[in-house]
Amino acid sequence: ELKVEQNPLFLSMQEGKNYTIYCNYSTTSDRLYWYRQDPGKSLESLFVLLSNGAVKQEGRLMASLDTKARLSTLHITAAVHDLSATYFCAVDRASGTYKYIFGTGTRLKVLA
Amino acid sequence: DAGVTQSPTHLIKTRGQHVTLRCSPISGHKSVSWYQQVLGQGPQFIFQYYEKEERGRGNFPDRFSARQFPNYSSELNVNALLLGDSALYLCASSSSGGALLFGPGTRLTVL
Repeated sequence: ELKVEQNPLFLSMQEGKNYTIYCNYSTTSDRLYWYRQDPGKSLESLFVLLSNGAVKQEGRLMASLDTKARLSTLHITAAVHDLSATYFCAVDRASGTYKYIFGTGTRLKVLA
Repeated sequence: DAGVTQSPTHLIKTRGQHVTLRCSPISGHKSVSWYQQVLGQGPQFIFQYYEKEERGRGNFPDRFSARQFPNYSSELNVNALLLGDSALYLCASSSSGGALLFGPGTRLTVL
């Protein structure tokens, strides 16, 4: 069965702290995507990771991909309240098909 | 440029009824995908269309159907609604090499 698992499921952290969200997957896809979802809203694309060793950074968020370990990480640096949201990773069922399997999501709450 | 658009925004139906959801992809995008997101879960793949042809179907019953029109817009139809069909229905379009870009969604409530 194709699976995408994220941990933790819930994360409450203080402003200014660092933390990492993990995404493990079982497909052979070499593409991985990170999305953000605010309550009641749609999904916003954050990062597209297209190959082993890919690293992307935007502001306080940095994502990386290890296709051999089938693992992606989303690292949060010096968290701020505005980062509070649910974060999803997703992989293709097969590379380039755009038939995504989404992870369970990590609900992040940053406390002032 | 306008992003992916969906209509309606919200919809309330009763069990057994039929519903049609609509989506227009980003201009120039020929592929449309539909996802169902139940509250508290990640989105689940329903359908993918490219150039009016079905390219993939997720694990959903035959009550779910879709089609894509010559202008690349799409409709998702759900027959004989069940309470469990209550969800946020997301449409996404894509271009080669990029991520799926999602519309605002249609929130369906089945009573």
